[in-house]
This record gives sequence, structure tokens and C-alpha cells, in this order.
Amino acid sequence: DIQMTQSPSSLSASVGDGVTITCRASQGIGSDLGWYQQKPGRAPERLIYAVSSLQSGVPSRFSGSGSGTEFTLTINSLQPEDFATYYCLQHNNYPYTFGQGTKLEIK
Amino acid sequence: EVQLVESGGGFVQPGGSLRLSCAASGFAFSSYWMQWVRQAPGKGLVWVSRINSDGIITNYADSVKGRFTISRDNAKNTVYLQVNSLRAEDTAVYYCVAGPFDFWGQGTKVTVSS
Repeated sequence: DIQMTQSPSSLSASVGDGVTITCRASQGIGSDLGWYQQKPGRAPERLIYAVSSLQSGVPSRFSGSGSGTEFTLTINSLQPEDFATYYCLQHNNYPYTFGQGTKLEIK
Repeated sequence: EVQLVESGGGFVQPGGSLRLSCAASGFAFSSYWMQWVRQAPGKGLVWVSRINSDGIITNYADSVKGRFTISRDNAKNTVYLQVNSLRAEDTAVYYCVAGPFDFWGQGTKVTVSS
């Protein structure tokens, strides 16, 4: 199975800050990597697909990058609605696997 | 508008069974792979199963293999997850997901407890 190691597990930041979340895959996954935001009691919503493509309707302050086994999600100029939990997901090989999640909290 | 509406969750004793359903609309259901993902209380997301567009190919996580069965009815735009021999560790919200995780339903809650 491909392991997705996501870091950090939690992050404290202020409105207006920029943050970066990283996922490392245990083997190459091509471009089959997405990023998801989940708010309490809600289903996950996709922010980024294919490593760096922005989901329709998602603000441009969200961006994704990376290749091979290392991938990042960057959020510029944090807004109050961005405080949530974020997950990466690889769907290159099943069993598809998620990162452990990063809880982004307000400082 | 894409909609995925799950149903069928509930409270069940260990060893029991449920049939989860996911009714899809707003997209070409019969062309999409469909998935189930679950999330135990306070925990992360875990992929459970997938089925290809015509229902011929299915795959499962090791933790559910032999106990869960995914199926679909393209005439009804619905995907199912039959969950048998339930264990306490199967307690979770179960999400129906379309395609390579494009669209997600709101989830149906399964609680396994005596």
C-alpha cells in the first residue's frame, strides 16, 4: 500500500498569514494527488486535483504543487473560513490512501 | 447540480448488517467509477471500496474484504454498499464519492454497538 505522510498534523496561524502543508508518498504517484478541506460535521470538499489544478469555485489563494513523492498545499492570506482540516489523497494505486490530516486553527 | 444522497445508515449490533444506498443525480452516473469512503468519529478519512462504471470491477480495503459488497444499478443511478458482520470498528460516517473523488455526498452514519 502507498503511505501518505502528511505534515504538520496541526497548525496554528492568524488571518492574513500564509501556510504550507506537505504530503509525502511512499512511492511515486504521478499526478494522482488531490487536496480536500473538511469542516466539522461536513463532508470533505475538493480544493485541488491532479496536484495543481484548482477546483472550480475555489479561491485562488489555494494552490498545489509537487511531483514524484512530495506534494504541497499552500494557502495564501488566510481567511476566517479557511480554518478547517485538510487532507491529501492519492488515487494512483488502490487501496487509495489519505494523509492523516492537518488541523488548521486560529492563533 | 450534482447530488449524491446517502441513506441506510443506523444503529446495529455487532454481527449485524445494513445496506447503504447512494442516489446520484446531475451527472452521467453510468460513466463514473463510484467509491465509498468512511470516517470514524474524530478520525481521518479511509477509502473502503470502489466499483467501475458497468459494475464489473470492484475493489475493497483489506479491513472490509469478505464482509462488504459494493454494487450499482445504473438504471436507478444508485450505488450500494452491503455491510455484513459488522464490528465496533466499522462505526463511522460513510461517504459516497463519484469518480476520482470529484463529488462527495453528505454521508450516512453507521453505529455498531451492543
